[in-house]
Amino acid sequence: EDQVTQSPEALRLQEGESSSLNCSYTVSGLRGLFWYRQDPGKGPEFLFTLYSAGEEKEKERLKATLTKKESFLHITAPKPEDSATYLCAVQARSGAGSYQLTFGKGTKLSVIP
Amino acid sequence: DTEVTQTPKHLVMGMTNKKSLKCEQHMGHRAMYWYKQKAKKPPELMFVYSYEKLSINESVPSRFSPECPNSSLLNLHLHALQPEDSALYLCASSQGPGQGYTGELFFGEGSRLTVL
Repeated sequence: EDQVTQSPEALRLQEGESSSLNCSYTVSGLRGLFWYRQDPGKGPEFLFTLYSAGEEKEKERLKATLTKKESFLHITAPKPEDSATYLCAVQARSGAGSYQLTFGKGTKLSVIP
Repeated sequence: DTEVTQTPKHLVMGMTNKKSLKCEQHMGHRAMYWYKQKAKKPPELMFVYSYEKLSINESVPSRFSPECPNSSLLNLHLHALQPEDSALYLCASSQGPGQGYTGELFFGEGSRLTVL
């Protein structure tokens, strides 16, 4: 069974204080690992897809990396508007999992001015 | 702004009511999804439509009835719901098989359902 574990559950940062969120996963053949941002009461917003170990993607203050067992979302010099819940999800390569994402429980990030 | 539009944004219904949630996308995607999300929990997959045909039903109770009238529209018909069905219902779309499917989902903003 595919599993995704995100840590920490919650993270409070001062504005400008860089940090990383972790996503550990087990999946029977990784098709893709996805990062989403979700604001309260809204739908998840797609951020990144990573397909293979060693891959990195960047967008503004966010950088996602992938190894064979985990992914990190690095936040550089965060701003209050980066406050949100960040969700990690994995997709298996074949079978019934080809349409299904297994989500982690998310990390709630709060950036204090 | 999201390219997946859901209506209504909020819905309050009694346990004997019949209501529908609607979703529309204009990205040319051929796969559409319904997810349910409870507070402080990740989204849970309910249904997947691929090329307007139901391809996945995650053992969802029959009081939830999905419908895909065409490639741009997805409905979720609700009947005889229970208070524990109160949640945020999310619609999503993605490329389908044969479209260069990458697995990336694009979500709408959700419909907040409260069952009294």
